[in-house]
Amino acid sequence: KQEVTQIPAALSVPEGENLVLNCSFTDSAIYNLQWFRQDPGKGLTSLLLIQSSQREQTSGRLNASLDKSSGRSTLYIAASQPGDSATYLCAVRSGSARQLTFGSGTQLTVLP
Amino acid sequence: NAGVTQTPKFRILKIGQSMTLQCTQDMNHNYMYWYRQDPGMGLKLIYYSVGAGITDKGEVPNGYNVSRSTTEDFPLRLELAAPSQTSVYFCASSYSRNRDTEAFFGQGTRLTVV
Repeated sequence: KQEVTQIPAALSVPEGENLVLNCSFTDSAIYNLQWFRQDPGKGLTSLLLIQSSQREQTSGRLNASLDKSSGRSTLYIAASQPGDSATYLCAVRSGSARQLTFGSGTQLTVLP
Repeated sequence: NAGVTQTPKFRILKIGQSMTLQCTQDMNHNYMYWYRQDPGMGLKLIYYSVGAGITDKGEVPNGYNVSRSTTEDFPLRLELAAPSQTSVYFCASSYSRNRDTEAFFGQGTRLTVV
C-alpha cells in the first residue's frame, strides 16, 4: 500500500525567504507526482506535475524535484510572499486505479 | 471550460438521511474519483471509475455508493448518513492512456451530519 509523508507539518517563515517542502513515498512504482495548494475552506489547485520519467518541473518561483528511486520529492519556493500562505499537498499516482495517494500536507505561513 | 463541477457546496444532513453529491466534468476524462478530507488530514479515496459503466472501491467505501452511466457524470450516494461521514468531499478527474495527465479537482462539498 502506498503511503505518503510530508515534513514538516507546519512551517512559518519571514517574507522573502527561500524554502523547501518535503514529500516521501513508500512505493517507487509511480506514474507521476503532483503538488497542490489548498487555501482554507477551498478546493485543490494544481501547482506542478512531474511524470515518473522526469527529474524536475518549474513554474515561476516554484520548482519541484523527483527522485523516484529514493521515494522523495521536494517543492522549492523562492522568495516567499504572504500570498504563498496555504497548505501544500503532495500526491503520488500509482496502483491499478491510477489513484492519487495524498500526504497530510504542510501548512505554510509567510509572515510580512 | 468549467472543468470539474460539484454540487452542492454545503449541506447539513440529519442522521439516517440520504443524499447524492453530484459531480460532472467536461474534459472527456476517463478516470473519475471521489475523495474525502477530514480536518488536518490528506485526502482518502472513496470510489473511483475508469470509464462509463465501470466503478470500484477505494480505501474508505463503506456507507457510500457510486454510478457512472456517462463519461461526464460520477454521482456519490450516501445512504443512512452517520456523523462519521461529516467531511469535505472532493471529486476529481484525469485522463489516463499512454500518459497520465494532471488530476483536476472540484471545489468540494462540505457535509455535516447531525
